[in-house]
Amino acid sequence: GIQVEQSPPDLILQEGANSTLRCNFSDSVNNLQWFHQNPWGQLINLFYIPSGTKQNGRLSATTVATERYSLLYISSSQTTDSGVYFCAVEEGAQKLVFGQGTRLTINP
Amino acid sequence: DTAVSQTPKYLVTQMGNDKSIKCEQNLGHDTMYWYKQDSKKFLKIMFSYNNKELIINETVPNRFSPKSPDKAHLNLHINSLELGDSAVYFCASSQALSGGRSSYEQYFGPGTRLTVT
Repeated sequence: GIQVEQSPPDLILQEGANSTLRCNFSDSVNNLQWFHQNPWGQLINLFYIPSGTKQNGRLSATTVATERYSLLYISSSQTTDSGVYFCAVEEGAQKLVFGQGTRLTINP
Repeated sequence: DTAVSQTPKYLVTQMGNDKSIKCEQNLGHDTMYWYKQDSKKFLKIMFSYNNKELIINETVPNRFSPKSPDKAHLNLHINSLELGDSAVYFCASSQALSGGRSSYEQYFGPGTRLTVT
């Protein structure tokens, strides 16, 4: 099956810093999503981005499908950005395969 | 106006018991899913249903039985609970196009933390 690898596994930053999270996948995909799991465990949709670039406030994402990777950028980090960020890609019909996540800690 | 809801949020039970987790979505989606998140935060799909029909059934013990009474509901029943079943179970939904292709986002419920003692 498809492999999804995220890096780095852990990231600790000061408030105000910028960060880039990476997701590599082993096969072509039709669906890629980024999620934020907050400290309360909720999985929040950030981007549906099988290709191209999207921006939402301080967050943006780029997927280069031909090179099988996606990047999530967080600018001017806030403590509320802390949590685990997951990349997930679709394998076959309707089956999302998740990466192992990047744990982001933003210190005040 | 919660999009995907699950009950209960927390479930603590003893080994050997049978329990159910309920999921409802009000998004009008055709497809619903159950995922399991283990203690290391790894998320893995268990089942998916499209219009009440089972589409995906991963290598899950047959003690786990999903039931979809209608396309807005997908419940998960677990028989003879074991310690290893302790995890967070997430329900999700998405809109499938014809041919079973999902080209839209999956939306997740808040999760049910199951603890088996």
